Amino acid sequence: DAMVIQNPRYQVTQFGKPVTLSCSQTLNHNVMYWYQQKSSQAPKLLFHYYDKDFNNEADTPDNFQSRRPNTSFCFLDIRSPGLGDAAMYLCATSRVGGGLDTQYFGPGTRLTVL
Amino acid sequence: QKEVEQNSGPLSVPEGAIASLNCTYSDRGSQSFFWYRQYSGKSPELIMSIYSNGDKEDGRFTAQLNKASQYVSLLIRDSQPSDSATYLCAVPGGGGADGLTFGKGTHLIIQP
Repeated sequence: DAMVIQNPRYQVTQFGKPVTLSCSQTLNHNVMYWYQQKSSQAPKLLFHYYDKDFNNEADTPDNFQSRRPNTSFCFLDIRSPGLGDAAMYLCATSRVGGGLDTQYFGPGTRLTVL
Repeated sequence: QKEVEQNSGPLSVPEGAIASLNCTYSDRGSQSFFWYRQYSGKSPELIMSIYSNGDKEDGRFTAQLNKASQYVSLLIRDSQPSDSATYLCAVPGGGGADGLTFGKGTHLIIQP
């Protein structure tokens, strides 16, 4: 019973070639998050949606964009991937925000940039 | 900027013993605390959440919170080789963010 689904699980792209990562959820949660996790580092929040309200972290590069067309789906767009963007990208959801509720993570998409 | 500190390890514990994982956090206003387990190449999986001072037990896992000392710990009793993983401590993010601020994690190895 997958609750947070990410596609693809592995993505290879070329330097500078736009890429889109997908996340969907069956939990009907209000909040969806995107984290970036590089090797041996902590997950780092890029942005989140509370319903349709988009919240960008101050240090998230402009190269990263997100869309949430409906409650179930959220996309991460990387407009011009660089070698430093190679990482695991984690989507998470929670019922409410404010850090008051458990965040459920999807399996992640591992991005390789050639 | 909230900070969460963990000893990166590796922490090596014999099978059947108690593994003790520690975490300190910088923001005295933090109200909720989470422990996630992450196997290599996988996504984080929630182990425990704790909101009040004291202990919270769930099976072999016990979370301990001391807000005065800004300290949260995770105890794993009767450690199993399958417990070998990286354990991430997390608190709600600062600066208006609803996301989590994670520590870098402690790499735990259970020796058979």
